[in-house]
Amino acid sequence: DIVLTQTPATLSLSPGERATLSCRASQSVSSYLAWYQQKPGQAPRLLIYDTSNRATGIPARFSGSGSGTDFTLTISSLEPEDFAVYFCQQRSIFGGGTKVEI
Amino acid sequence: QVQLVQSGADVKKPGASVRVSCKASGYMFITYTLHWMRQAPGQRLEWMGWINPGNGNTKYSQKFQGRITMTRHTSASTVYMDLSSLRSEDTAVYYCARDGIADSWHEDWFDSWGQGTLVTVSS
Repeated sequence: DIVLTQTPATLSLSPGERATLSCRASQSVSSYLAWYQQKPGQAPRLLIYDTSNRATGIPARFSGSGSGTDFTLTISSLEPEDFAVYFCQQRSIFGGGTKVEI
Repeated sequence: QVQLVQSGADVKKPGASVRVSCKASGYMFITYTLHWMRQAPGQRLEWMGWINPGNGNTKYSQKFQGRITMTRHTSASTVYMDLSSLRSEDTAVYYCARDGIADSWHEDWFDSWGQGTLVTVSS
């Protein structure tokens, strides 16, 4: 089975800074990699699908890239509402998440 | 807009069964596969299976085979997830979510989520 490993586990940044989150697959995967944001007590929200496509209503500061086994979610300039947990997903597999904290 | 509304929290004893419902609105119900996931405290999300509301076809994660059943009530735009032989490790928030691709038979991405249902298994 494919394993998705996200690094770092925690990212400590300030508003306005750039966040770079990594998702590495244990074997090469298709481009159907997605990213989600989850805040405490809330359901996940789709940010990026098919590696680099922003979901409806997602701001342009969120971008996704990658191929093969290495994928990246970038938040170009953190807004206060962006501090949350982010996780990647490929087919039925989810990564363990990266917490972006202030 | 697309909305998925789940049933409320539930407490069950070990060995019992639980049913969680998910009512869809804002789109053509039969067009999109609906998935069930769960998230135990401190654990990553875990995919459990999907149901095609159009024809009732299902696919379950091997981990839950024999314990899980997904059904749908088309006229009510509602899907159900039944999990039996509950144990403490089944304590989790259960989510339904819509597949991102119409008429898909796969786990693609999940573009709309229910609010989650906490199921607690405790004696």
